Amino acid sequence: NAGVTQTPKFQVLKTGQSMTLQCAQDMNHNSMYWYRQDPGMGLRLIYYSASEGTTDKGEVPNGYNVSRLNKREFSLRLESAAPSQTSVYFCATPQGPSTDTQYFGPGTRLTVL
Amino acid sequence: EDQVTQSPEALRLQEGESSSLNCSYTVSGLRGLFWYRQDPGKGPEFLFTLYSAGEEKEKERLKATLTKKESFLHITAPKPEDSATYLCAVQAGRNFNKFYFGSGTKLNVKP
Repeated sequence: NAGVTQTPKFQVLKTGQSMTLQCAQDMNHNSMYWYRQDPGMGLRLIYYSASEGTTDKGEVPNGYNVSRLNKREFSLRLESAAPSQTSVYFCATPQGPSTDTQYFGPGTRLTVL
Repeated sequence: EDQVTQSPEALRLQEGESSSLNCSYTVSGLRGLFWYRQDPGKGPEFLFTLYSAGEEKEKERLKATLTKKESFLHITAPKPEDSATYLCAVQAGRNFNKFYFGSGTKLNVKP
């Protein structure tokens, strides 16, 4: 039981390149979330998915797209990366039967040059 | 606007020196307040959930309390292994599927 897995762990991009961050959960929950964490700013919600086939914008969605491929997988895509997107990205899903407590993946550290 | 503010930004303690971390919030319809611990290079790890003013939760050397405007994380006789960043988050009633995080308090406990 791995919980929440994220790939890759590290990535370096050049400005304008595209990439997809992958997240998978084996906890069988409907909700999944993407956050970014920047120094001094805490975690900010990018997008979330309340169930398979649905996605909604969070606090900072600009420059990102998401896909809820199935119940297990929720991907985050950067179509044209910018230096401002240098950050650590976390995927999360509810920790238990309640949707209140979130369980986080190990994160993807992204640098855009 | 829903907002979460944590203080202090950083805290240095000697081993055994008790202290408190603060999380103040302004949200419309608090559904829950959460405390997480984050070690360097890792994702946040859940500690506590508090739902109503007056509620308290304890785990080893940590105790979380909640009022109508703020929450405290009390650390009693801390040890070096308690060194981490402690994050506070709120879940607001209007957007029950959204969580708002504070910027965290970085705790360093010296032996």
